[in-house]
Amino acid sequence: GESVGLHLPTLSVQEGDNSIINCAYSNSASDYFIWYKQESGKGPQFIIDIRSNMDKRQGQRVTVLLNKTVKHLSLQIAATQPGDSAVYFCAEIILTGGGNKLTFGTGTQLKVEL
Amino acid sequence: NAGVTQTPKFQVLKTGQSMTLQCAQDMNHEYMSWYRQDPGMGLRLIHYSVGAGITDQGEVPNGYNVSRSTTEDFPLRLLSAAPSQTSVYFCASNRRGGVTDTEAFFGQGTRLTVV
Repeated sequence: GESVGLHLPTLSVQEGDNSIINCAYSNSASDYFIWYKQESGKGPQFIIDIRSNMDKRQGQRVTVLLNKTVKHLSLQIAATQPGDSAVYFCAEIILTGGGNKLTFGTGTQLKVEL
Repeated sequence: NAGVTQTPKFQVLKTGQSMTLQCAQDMNHEYMSWYRQDPGMGLRLIHYSVGAGITDQGEVPNGYNVSRSTTEDFPLRLLSAAPSQTSVYFCASNRRGGVTDTEAFFGQGTRLTVV
């Protein structure tokens, strides 16, 4: 069936290092892929999205890579900071006339060690 | 800017009780949705609405009702609470459709425990 899943449940990195969070998806019909950050006790917060016809998109300290051949998505965070500690979700979105449907993966906990 | 506001933040219910989780947004978004978040399962879509007067079921709708009488409000009703409904509930809104409207705004969540 259709699914969006993450490879690792927990990722620990040293402050200042780069972080790479991975995600696999199975629905080739997705129009966009999105990364959300969820801090403890808060709702998910949009980080960056990438359209399905793109391979790479960069934001501030973040880069998302999309490999459609192997249906793989990754989020790279440069110079990871303590404030980056959170759960990161990948999500797929299909644009329809009735609204955008989001399907979330299970999440990866990113822990930044000082 | 208030964004998406959920109330209450915490709630304990006894099995069989009913209650309504409130959600309001002040961004004039057409699209609103409710998710539940359980450990190890990510967020799952319960119900959604593409505009006032229109609602539809998501992935896990059983045991929940919704209505959308105004653009701003999208309450979620638990008719007869069950322990399986213990979860954290998130309301979200975003503009309807369009290639630039991928960003959903989430509320702070309601942590519900059913005993």
